[in-house]
Amino acid sequence: GAVVSQHPSWVICKSGTSVKIECRSLDFQATTMFWYRQFPKQSLMLMATSNEGSKATYEQGVEKDKFLINHASLTLSTLTVTSAHPEDSSFYICSARADSANTEAFFGQGTRLTVV
Amino acid sequence: GENVEQHPSTLSVQEGDSAVIKCTYSDSASNYFPWYKQELGKRPQLIIDIRSNVGEKKDQRIAVTLNKTAKHFSLHITETQPEDSAVYFCAATFYSSASKIIFGSGTRLSIRP
Repeated sequence: GAVVSQHPSWVICKSGTSVKIECRSLDFQATTMFWYRQFPKQSLMLMATSNEGSKATYEQGVEKDKFLINHASLTLSTLTVTSAHPEDSSFYICSARADSANTEAFFGQGTRLTVV
Repeated sequence: GENVEQHPSTLSVQEGDSAVIKCTYSDSASNYFPWYKQELGKRPQLIIDIRSNVGEKKDQRIAVTLNKTAKHFSLHITETQPEDSAVYFCAATFYSSASKIIFGSGTRLSIRP
């Protein structure tokens, strides 16, 4: 299958700072990218959906100003957690889809964020 | 609303027996239903998917069935093996403000030797 690379795989930051996570599709053009958050022993909760060149569509309850998503090219999307707090500590994982809505989405390896 | 319900949350089966995980979805317009396997600390891996134009799909020991009328789909794993132990997620596509993939709550499958 196609390859999606997410970086960093883990990060520790101080409360109040910002953290940027990158998601790259290495061998295909990702029309759509998804950002999920997963707490321990829980499901993947969709945070936002982004299409290249347009604003991300956020799920209800997800703060747009706190979780900044940029999808500037067909191979790169970024998630920036601004003014991070300990409750933002989680596993963040992206996925990317090439074209139509009923095709496979490929996942990055995830980023474990710990805010201290 | 956009919702995927998954049952059971945990499942323990004897090695060699079959395992069945069931999901329902809320939107009759959904037409793509992937199943993912996730091992601890790793990314979800697609194991099988089905589109709404078919009712069943099989890949070796894994099969998925879809009932569009009932908005219900199921994962069947036969002849289970220890390496099948993992968390399994069903998912469905929804087409509201954006085309998105929503996940079920997950099933932790344990295979007893």
